Amino acid sequence: ETGVTQTPRHLVMGMTNKKSLKCEQHLGHNAMYWYKQSAKKPLELMFVYSLEERVENNSVPSRFSPECPNSSHLFLHLHTLQPEDSALYLCASSQTSGSGANVLTFGAGSRLTVL
Amino acid sequence: GQNIDQPTEMTATEGAIVQINCTYQTSGFNGLFWYQQHAGEAPTFLSYNVLDGLEEKGRFSSFLSRSKGYSYLLLKELQMKDSASYLCAVVSNDYKLSFGAGTTVTVRA
Repeated sequence: ETGVTQTPRHLVMGMTNKKSLKCEQHLGHNAMYWYKQSAKKPLELMFVYSLEERVENNSVPSRFSPECPNSSHLFLHLHTLQPEDSALYLCASSQTSGSGANVLTFGAGSRLTVL
Repeated sequence: GQNIDQPTEMTATEGAIVQINCTYQTSGFNGLFWYQQHAGEAPTFLSYNVLDGLEEKGRFSSFLSRSKGYSYLLLKELQMKDSASYLCAVVSNDYKLSFGAGTTVTVRA
């Protein structure tokens, strides 16, 4: 248990479905992140929220829509996905200042399969 | 863009030493991280280097040479539980973190 909890751990969806991934952190961090991890590829940063404001959006397709209602919760809303979106989606959190700044704490990930 | 290279796979015997190299070409440098990721689990923080030299933490050590754009993670007295993927990540000038594709280490009895 890292202090960052992701649900669901596994998700299978069709291309026309709408689903959401949820992330919750209990570490008192003020920044949260979504990463995509595909086999044999580097982690790809998707979105960053700092103090609940989106500060990074790495040219991610609009079929992925993030939401950060407060500093402890982060969502990734999914709709009309493509099979190539199948991957492990990792949530992370960090402190942006002080000791341990920018050290990411990751959740265990949500394994998404798009049929 | 950022370029971070590390070997795809390494195999070693229990009790041995393995060195995982990481080379990087990034827009500036503000530190280098190593993370460990067991299959199906979250990546976990191992080490952080921002100055040249060796940082030792138990059986694991991490080395950095900024002039060469090079780091290595040294795993000593290998144990079966060390079988995992090891991720190298570099903080560039804009404080963005870029990851390598990871090195899968398999420890054999």
